[in-house]
Amino acid sequence: AQKITQTQPGMFVQEKEAVTLDCTYDTSDQSYGLFWYKQPSSGEMIFLIYQGSYDEQNATEGRYSLNFQKARKSANLVISASQLGDSAMYFCAMRDRGSTLGRLYFGRGTQLTVWP
Amino acid sequence: GAVVSQHPSRVICKSGTSVKIECRSLDFQATTMFWYRQFPKQSLMLMATSNEGSKATYEQGVEKDKFLINHASLTLSTLTVTSAHPEDSSFYICSARDLGRHSNQPQHFGDGTRLSIL
Repeated sequence: AQKITQTQPGMFVQEKEAVTLDCTYDTSDQSYGLFWYKQPSSGEMIFLIYQGSYDEQNATEGRYSLNFQKARKSANLVISASQLGDSAMYFCAMRDRGSTLGRLYFGRGTQLTVWP
Repeated sequence: GAVVSQHPSRVICKSGTSVKIECRSLDFQATTMFWYRQFPKQSLMLMATSNEGSKATYEQGVEKDKFLINHASLTLSTLTVTSAHPEDSSFYICSARDLGRHSNQPQHFGDGTRLSIL
């Protein structure tokens, strides 16, 4: 079974609007970490935000916030006030006890396009 | 913050050539580094886990003799694509995590290498 599922191949949002990118995960561990990365067309992977399974509050980093619903096993990324530079591929990833030496399991990604 | 440097950023070469890609952790020691391959519009596919001072662990379906990994020091791992052919053309990217820091620290990625085999 896939550890990370991103069901939205592509999303479109108008500049200055908020957008939610979906991510669900599958693990039987109690201790795990969830990450979101941004990959622009140039290819580099940019770390955005982290949520630990024991964190009681949703993580926030500037315009990025993570809507963490543990019972539903979802970790959606919310980008507020979208900017043209937010257009990129976004990957959700997880690390759990099954992650040998800390490897990450990645979803298929969501291509976000921000239009003016 | 932690930085991972990857070189070269782009390689174009003839079929049959061997290509070496370097991945360096610049300000931390990385006993483990990860090598990924990515096709256009697709996710990162883990190829192998590079372990300092020991043999790499390859994922199922990845040819060990085709993709040679050497992790000779705590800051350097290399991936050599041997006798490259057009089907090896892809985007290769490495990552490492500073194991000396808290588990909530992310993996840090190099900028990737675009390999084109003619």
